[in-house]
Amino acid sequence: GAGVSQSPRYKVAKRGQDVALRCDPISGHVSLFWYQQALGQGPEFLTYFQNEAQLDKSGLPSDRFFAERPEGSVSTLKIQRTQQEDSAVYLCASSLVIDGGYTFGSGTRLTVV
Amino acid sequence: AQSVAQPEDQVNVAEGNPLTVKCTYSVSGNPYLFWYVQYPNRGLQFLLKYITGDNLVKGSYGFEAEFNKSQTSFHLKKPSALVSDSALYFCAVREYNTNAGKSTFGDGTTLTVKP
Repeated sequence: GAGVSQSPRYKVAKRGQDVALRCDPISGHVSLFWYQQALGQGPEFLTYFQNEAQLDKSGLPSDRFFAERPEGSVSTLKIQRTQQEDSAVYLCASSLVIDGGYTFGSGTRLTVV
Repeated sequence: AQSVAQPEDQVNVAEGNPLTVKCTYSVSGNPYLFWYVQYPNRGLQFLLKYITGDNLVKGSYGFEAEFNKSQTSFHLKKPSALVSDSALYFCAVREYNTNAGKSTFGDGTTLTVKP
């Protein structure tokens, strides 16, 4: 596609509920990244894929967070047993090469109530 | 460990004047450096990057940035600001030659250009 597509745009979850956030990167982009952005702050790294391989997951805040990219294209970020502190905008980005600039999606705003 | 500092939360300039948005970084090895812009209600957009080579990098919308290794800085500049440049700007750093892929972002600087 022309850009990075994320869905849903907004998600309201009750505390304890599981959520799944989807990212559809630009076709052919090898690298895919997930970031978390809290209000008034810069994006914080969560995890990175090169094709289907998850090369770095050091930013995932707890074992409740899980990401996958099984066929090297679409990726899903799953959060189990959501907590209020998980409320944030979750950004997906892709790039053609590892040293390229990112193309970001519009993000998913998650609100846990 | 890598980090980015954007020392100014807000920068105000008059239209037509030059603008500078400051960024300093810390990284163990050589840096990849990036600037992104976020317009209201829109996603982050890539502006420019420094990987290697000339210290002055030119990017989108007439922006440029100067890499200064001794001062560990990568300030964003534009010779003549436009009202439409008003937005939130983020600097980011990634360590060169690692496969980790992690970029560290600053907390952003809000640029306001007044007519």
